[in-house]
Amino acid sequence: KNQVEQSPQSLIILEGKNCTLQCNYTVSPFSNLRWYKQDTGRGPVSLTIMTFSENTKSNGRYTATLDADTKQSSLHITASQLSDSASYICVVSASAGGTSYGKLTFGQGTILTVHP
Amino acid sequence: GAGVSQSPSNKVTEKGKDVELRCDPISGHTALYWYRQSLGQGLEFLIYFQGNSAPDKSGLPSDRFSAERTGGSVSTLTIQRTQQEDSAVYLCASSLGWGASSSYEQYFGPGTRLTVT
Repeated sequence: KNQVEQSPQSLIILEGKNCTLQCNYTVSPFSNLRWYKQDTGRGPVSLTIMTFSENTKSNGRYTATLDADTKQSSLHITASQLSDSASYICVVSASAGGTSYGKLTFGQGTILTVHP
Repeated sequence: GAGVSQSPSNKVTEKGKDVELRCDPISGHTALYWYRQSLGQGLEFLIYFQGNSAPDKSGLPSDRFSAERTGGSVSTLTIQRTQQEDSAVYLCASSLGWGASSSYEQYFGPGTRLTVT
């Protein structure tokens, strides 16, 4: 069964600090992995998308890494801001040939709270 | 252009009533998806439409749930005889096409928060 697990479930940090969120997945065959940011009361917004051959991708203060061998990804947030408070969701897509072709498997998300 | 819009933003209904949730996708997007997000849970796939193809209904939790997409654009998700466990945020997303390619980025609407009392 395709699964995506994220840790920690929630995280509280002080403004200006860095943090790293983790994602482990069992989706197969793997196509790509996305990190989304979901503000309270809003729909998810894509931060990064990585394919099998990509190890790291940055979007401003967000840097995602991918280890396709261990099926792990991380999202690193640098110099956190109050506006970073949100749920961060790891999403994995299966590639053609699998029964879940194109379908996205969502993690439960990590709720990040940034305090001043 | 405008993003994905959903209406209503909030819906409170009594157990046993039917509800209709609406989604307006981004113009030109041929693929449309419905998801459900229960409190503390990840997004759960419900149904997907791609062009004129038969929809993938594999995620619908029961026969009380149905969806249609008229004219390849607006979609309506209908829940009949609502139950308290149907309470959740219902998210709609659209994309240029269907597939695993990163080109087919899904853009999400703000969701409809459904509360069944």
